[in-house]
Amino acid sequence: GDSVTQMEGPVTLSEEAFLTINCTYTATGYPSLFWYVQYPGEGLQLLLKATKADDKGSNKGFEATYRKETTSFHLEKGSVQVSDSAVYFCALSDNKGSSNTGKLIFGQGTTLQVKP
Amino acid sequence: SQTIHQWPATLVQPVGSPLSLECTVEGTSNPNLYWYRQAAGRGLQLLFYSVGIGQISSEVPQNLSASRPQDRQFILSSKKLLLSDSGFYLCAWSPLLTGGGYEQYFGPGTRLTVT
Repeated sequence: GDSVTQMEGPVTLSEEAFLTINCTYTATGYPSLFWYVQYPGEGLQLLLKATKADDKGSNKGFEATYRKETTSFHLEKGSVQVSDSAVYFCALSDNKGSSNTGKLIFGQGTTLQVKP
Repeated sequence: SQTIHQWPATLVQPVGSPLSLECTVEGTSNPNLYWYRQAAGRGLQLLFYSVGIGQISSEVPQNLSASRPQDRQFILSSKKLLLSDSGFYLCAWSPLLTGGGYEQYFGPGTRLTVT
């Protein structure tokens, strides 16, 4: 079945460092890909998305490119801030026309801690 | 714009007591609705989803049940709570879709502690 694998955390960085959180997926068909962020004690917020190969999603300085050839959707940010400390989830949604469940498959989450 | 509400925000219940968590969505019609549980320090587990009123699909056999009495209302219940039911419960919605690929939008969550 479809699956998402994220790099294990926690990831600890100093403020203004470059961030990469790896995400790879296994899917039949042509999934849409998402990054969600969860701040402590809160629900998940959609950070960015990409719906087809070579699309780049971007938001709040974060970006990720849908790479079909490597089945990856790595999250990057050029300069992290303390306020970026959170748990980041990679997810995919299958686009199979026969299904309208809209279910997402999530990775296990990666905790990012940014130190001043 | 669409908003999603969950209540209560926090709940402490004794083992063996009943449970009812409520989720409502505003500003949209015919959403798909989802219940997730997140154990401490762990990922998301999809519990139930619904594509319409009265239509509930269970992802994991367990002590919980779900109902959708109205288009934009989704309820998570239990007759007798177990210690293992403790966790952070998240409700989410997505647009009704025919081809897939739509994102989900999450509520603020309910922190349940079973003592």
